Amino acid sequence: LAKTTQPISMDSYEGQEVNITCSHNNIATNDYITWYQQFPSQGPRFIIQGYKTKVTNEVASLFIPADRKSSTLSLPRVSLSDTAVYYCLVGDQAVDSGNTPLVFGKGTRLSVIA
Amino acid sequence: NAGVTQTPKFRVLKTGQSMTLLCAQDMNHEYMYWYRQDPGMGLRLIHYSVGEGTTAKGEVPDGYNVSRLKKQNFLLGLESAAPSQTSVYFCASSYQRDRGSGANVLTFGAGSRLTVL
Repeated sequence: LAKTTQPISMDSYEGQEVNITCSHNNIATNDYITWYQQFPSQGPRFIIQGYKTKVTNEVASLFIPADRKSSTLSLPRVSLSDTAVYYCLVGDQAVDSGNTPLVFGKGTRLSVIA
Repeated sequence: NAGVTQTPKFRVLKTGQSMTLLCAQDMNHEYMYWYRQDPGMGLRLIHYSVGEGTTAKGEVPDGYNVSRLKKQNFLLGLESAAPSQTSVYFCASSYQRDRGSGANVLTFGAGSRLTVL
């Protein structure tokens, strides 16, 4: 499984754009990049997933360079309610691939300040 | 749809007692998982199941047993609870995507907070 590295914590002011970068140097050809968000006392919830280039949804954007060795989660104009832990996961988890389910690291704790 | 429901939400045990955490999902997902999360830590996979009647070990399986007798339910058992098993337990489920169409997306329950004295 591809190991991921992301910052332990980040601070941002309300209204700013926040970019959280995840490094995954040994990503495999079939691996996808998935981000989850976890609020205190809740289970993680899916934010976005991508394979290459750029993916955008109503919550965030995911930028993946051509070599796919890193990815950046972009949160536009954050608010206090975006304070959470953000996890980057890399893998394909296909049942026939022999891989175990995706592994969560410690994530990035984002604190949004008023 | 209720999604993923975990019971109980809170439980206090004494060392050596046994208990079972129940996870139920109504999304007809093939895969189900049990994670534990300790303060300031990420989630660590305990056991998982790729279908009814099958289970597999995750990162930290020791001290736990699981069963998947019905597709919608995944039970996590502690036969002899220890203080080191004090944690928040999360259940999750996902459907199995075809290879090449994306990694599985997990839907999590609200968690079960267990304290072992």
